Amino acid sequence: DIQMTQSPPSLSASVGDRVTITCRASQAIRNYLAWYQQKPGKVPKLLIYAASTLQSGVPSRFSGSGSGTDFSLTISSLQPEDIATYYCQKYNSAPITFGQGTRLEI
Amino acid sequence: EVQLVESGGGLVQPGGSLRLSCEASGFTFSSYSMNWVRQAPGKGLEWISYINSVGTTIYYADSVKGRFTLSRDNANSSLYLQLNNLRVEDTAVYYCARVPPYDSWGQGTPVTVSS
Repeated sequence: DIQMTQSPPSLSASVGDRVTITCRASQAIRNYLAWYQQKPGKVPKLLIYAASTLQSGVPSRFSGSGSGTDFSLTISSLQPEDIATYYCQKYNSAPITFGQGTRLEI
Repeated sequence: EVQLVESGGGLVQPGGSLRLSCEASGFTFSSYSMNWVRQAPGKGLEWISYINSVGTTIYYADSVKGRFTLSRDNANSSLYLQLNNLRVEDTAVYYCARVPPYDSWGQGTPVTVSS
C-alpha cells in the first residue's frame, strides 16, 4: 500500500506569514492528491484536488503543487481563521490514504 | 444543496454490532461513489470503505475488512455500514463522504465501543 507522509506534524507561524506543508507518497500517484482543512470540532473541508485545483469558494491564498510523489500546500499570507489541521489524501486507488496531518498554530 | 446525514452511532460493548446510515439529498445519489471515513478521538482521518455508484465495487481498509460491510440503496438515496465484532479501537466519529476527493461530508455519527 502507498503511504503518505506529511511534514511537519505541527507548525507555528504568524499572521501574514507564507506557510508550506509538504506531503510525500511512497509511490507515484500522478496528481491524485487532495488537501483538506479541519478546524477543531468541525467537519473536514476540501481545499484542493488534483494536486493544484482550488475547490470552489476556497480563498486564493491557498495553493497546491506537485505531481508524482512530492506535493505541497501553501498559504500565501496566513490569516487567523486558517488555524486548523491540514491533511493530504491520495485517491488514485484503494486504499485511499490520508497523511497524518499538520497542526497549524499562530 | 448537497446534504449527507449520518445516524445509527452509539455506545456498544466490545464484540457488539451497529448499523450506520447515511441519508443523501440535494444531488443524484445514484451517480456518485460514496465512502466512510472515521476519526478516533484526538487522532487523524482514516478512510475505511468505498463503494462505487452502482454498488458493484467495494473496498475496505485492512483494519475493518471482514468485520464491516458497506452497502447502498440508490432508490432511497442511502448508504449503510454494518459494523460487526466491534473493538475498542473502533471508537471514533464516522463520516460519510461523497466521491473522492471528498467534496461533501456528513456531520458524523459517534461510535463508542466500551465495556
